[in-house]
Formats: sequence, C-alpha cells, structure tokens
Amino acid sequence: DGGITQSPKYLFRKEGQNVTLSCEQNLNHDAMYWYRQDPGQGLRLIYYSQIVNDFQKGDIAEGYSVSREKKESFPLTVTSAQKNPTAFYLCASSMGPGPNTEAFFGQGTRLTVV
Amino acid sequence: DAKTTQPNSMESNEEEPVHLPCNHSTISGTDYIHWYRQLPSQGPEYVIHGLTSNVNNRMASLAIAEDRKSSTLILHRATLRDAAVYYCIPFGGSNYKLTFGKGTLLTVNP
Repeated sequence: DGGITQSPKYLFRKEGQNVTLSCEQNLNHDAMYWYRQDPGQGLRLIYYSQIVNDFQKGDIAEGYSVSREKKESFPLTVTSAQKNPTAFYLCASSMGPGPNTEAFFGQGTRLTVV
Repeated sequence: DAKTTQPNSMESNEEEPVHLPCNHSTISGTDYIHWYRQLPSQGPEYVIHGLTSNVNNRMASLAIAEDRKSSTLILHRATLRDAAVYYCIPFGGSNYKLTFGKGTLLTVNP
C-alpha cells in the first residue's frame, strides 16, 4: 500500500540520550515535514524539506536535527539539547514543491523521555 | 506567514450541515487555502483546498470569499465520525511552509 510510515509508534528513552524517529514514504513525494504536538495543542513545525539533500528549519528546530539523503526518507533526531522532548511527533509528505497539493500524514510516534 | 482566526469550538447535531469559518485577512495572492482535520491520537487528514473558486469533493465543500480574506468549510451532513479538530491553513509563500494554528474542535451530537 502507498503511504507514509512512522516507526515505532511508542518510544521510550532516558534523559540525555539522542533518539532518531523514522519516517518513510513510498508516494514519490518531494516534500516532507516534521511536526511536534503537545497535549491539547496544535501542530508545530520542526523541519521541512522540499527536495532531496535540502531542508529548512521550521518554527521550533532547536534541539532537533534531520537529514534528507533519500527521497523516501526523512529521519528526525531528537538530541539531548531538546529540553522537553516528550511529545507526539508527526511526519508528513506532499508531492511538492508548491501549495497546490495535499499533504499526507503518518500515524505518529509518541516519544516519552524519562 | 498569513495568520488565521478560527472559533475554538463548535457544536453540531448529527445529519445537519456544519459551516466552519476561518478568517485569513493577511493571505497573499498566491496562497492556497487548505483544510485538514485531526481525530484524537491520530495524524491529521487532508479535507480540501482551493485558491479562489469554491471547491467540492466527497468529504466537504470549501466556500472562499471573493476578497479571499475568509473561507468556510461546509460539511453537508455531519456524522459522529466528523468530530475532530479542523485546521484552516493558508499555504504558499516563498518557502512553502505548512503551518498549523489552533483549529476548531467540532463536537457532533447524536
């Protein structure tokens, strides 16, 4: 099936450890996005990429890093510099670049740092 | 980035039409108006988008004001499965950031 896959669904880490969240899509989409959502809040943009080997910071990029070496993959690393990493993380892709295209979302990874 | 204003919450009865408003007075001429919805503990789902003309699809209709400063998402017959947070997003600009606001929580009563 075509779609966007995030894994794992739940992730637990100890404070101070870096952790990488996976996002893979087989839709042949150029654009990919990472969002963070805290309880009762809207989505906040962390990083986005319009094309392979290029990405831009979103509104809350501090403490996060990404790479876009392949079109289908856009992993997000939550570093130890992120002060409050516990959150629901969502990945999305769209045919892009450009706004006349719908975005597809994964089912999210719920990260808990203890 | 264009700012949006949506009601925090709205209520509807099942099988009745629902009109969800959105103000986006600072929208640029090339921004498309996107609508997404999110059910609890799930990723957002695309609903509809448009530029100037009204748009229809199997899920909803989008009515865009002539001056493009506001739009209305129309669910023709609300069902319990339509209960969700609905986000209106002007999408475009020079860097194509898809930025979410707080959205409208729609409650559908049986």
